[in-house]
Amino acid sequence: DAGVIQSPRHEVTEMGQEVTLRCKPISGHDYLFWYRQTMMRGLELLIYFNNNVPIDDSGMPEDRFSAKMPNASFSTLKIQPSEPRDSAVYFCASSFQVSGNTIYFGEGSWLTVV
Amino acid sequence: RKEVEQDPGPFNVPEGATVAFNCTYSNSASQSFFWYRQDCRKEPKLLMSVYSSGNEDGRFTAQLNRASQYISLLIRDSKLSDSATYLCVVKRGGKLIFGQGTELSVKP
Repeated sequence: DAGVIQSPRHEVTEMGQEVTLRCKPISGHDYLFWYRQTMMRGLELLIYFNNNVPIDDSGMPEDRFSAKMPNASFSTLKIQPSEPRDSAVYFCASSFQVSGNTIYFGEGSWLTVV
Repeated sequence: RKEVEQDPGPFNVPEGATVAFNCTYSNSASQSFFWYRQDCRKEPKLLMSVYSSGNEDGRFTAQLNRASQYISLLIRDSKLSDSATYLCVVKRGGKLIFGQGTELSVKP
């Protein structure tokens, strides 16, 4: 079975540019999570969705970040405009039901903003 | 103060050693507890859930003390392949909240 699929795997962009990260969750999963990982701050939850509806976006750093889930098989995380401090690995993860103990991560999108 | 705190690490141990990781969490509303493993430049993966009664999976033993809000992971007879970062995780509502992780390096 296909796992969580993220794209792009790596992106280098200039400060001020728009960045769009994409995620396809595991089929049938009803929860989708966006995490950011840096050396300084570790893994931080940015936002999560249940049945395509955003439930908690309190981790989104600021208005430059936005996330959408137009359908059960696709989500985007957008940064506009990007800044060097946004450089990190962005992980998408999905799970089935709130009581499910396992969330499955994608391989991550490695973002560098120069 | 972070909601989930772990030993700072790194831990450098010889093969065959027993190593213990500790973790504390600050929110008593936390419902479930886990250890995840993350290899270098890879995504985190579930290692094991942690139950109040304690649970074991081969060489790995996890313990939870709800009163003290403390979680532990013991690895016995460590292998080179155990080298990774171990992440303490608590679940609260729909969220999984991760500790910073403790890096383990097992040497021959």
